Amino acid sequence: GAGVSQSPSNKVTEKGKDVELRCDPISGHTALYWYRQSLGQGLEFLIYFQGNSAPDKSGLPSDRFSAERTGGSVSTLTIQRTQQEDSAVYLCASSLEGSQPQHFGDGTRLSIL
Amino acid sequence: QKEVEQNSGPLSVPEGAIASLNCTYSDRGSQSFFWYRQYSGKSPELIMSIYSNGDKEDGRFTAQLNKASQYVSLLIRDSQPSDSATYLCAVHPAGGTSYGKLTFGQGTILTVHP
Repeated sequence: GAGVSQSPSNKVTEKGKDVELRCDPISGHTALYWYRQSLGQGLEFLIYFQGNSAPDKSGLPSDRFSAERTGGSVSTLTIQRTQQEDSAVYLCASSLEGSQPQHFGDGTRLSIL
Repeated sequence: QKEVEQNSGPLSVPEGAIASLNCTYSDRGSQSFFWYRQYSGKSPELIMSIYSNGDKEDGRFTAQLNKASQYVSLLIRDSQPSDSATYLCAVHPAGGTSYGKLTFGQGTILTVHP
């Protein structure tokens, strides 16, 4: 079956612009996660959605970052007024539910000029 | 102390050898443990999950868990050049407000040379 789908695969934008990154999880997966991976670094947790529960936003680095998940499926991560330090690969993962193995999409490589 | 620590690399082994990757974690109540493989420029790929003490084998891979020592390892037998990648240890916390949030180690770079 289809895996986690992320779009766009690459995004180049100017500093100060807003960007939206999209994630379509595996069908039937109730949990959805966003991570960030900077060059040569480990995975940094950003936000976690589980069903209809309030999301765990504890990893969002600033109030410029927000995410939503509509209808318990597709999620959008929005970064407002982008900064150069936001340049990274943004990875989305989903799992059947919170304690199950997470499966990753191919990521969005974001470059801020 | 980092929540999840992996042995510093890079680790280089000859083709056909056993590669041993180690990981320790700080949350004694952690219940679920995962190993991911990440090729350069690619996203992490789940290769093993383990939930109870002991060994779990899947093909050339064996995961070992010792909750008393807060230690999890991954053995790769008959290593192949295609195993060359970064291996990430991930730990799922016990619960509470952190439920669902995997904590990843920094990764160990493995190189298998012919």
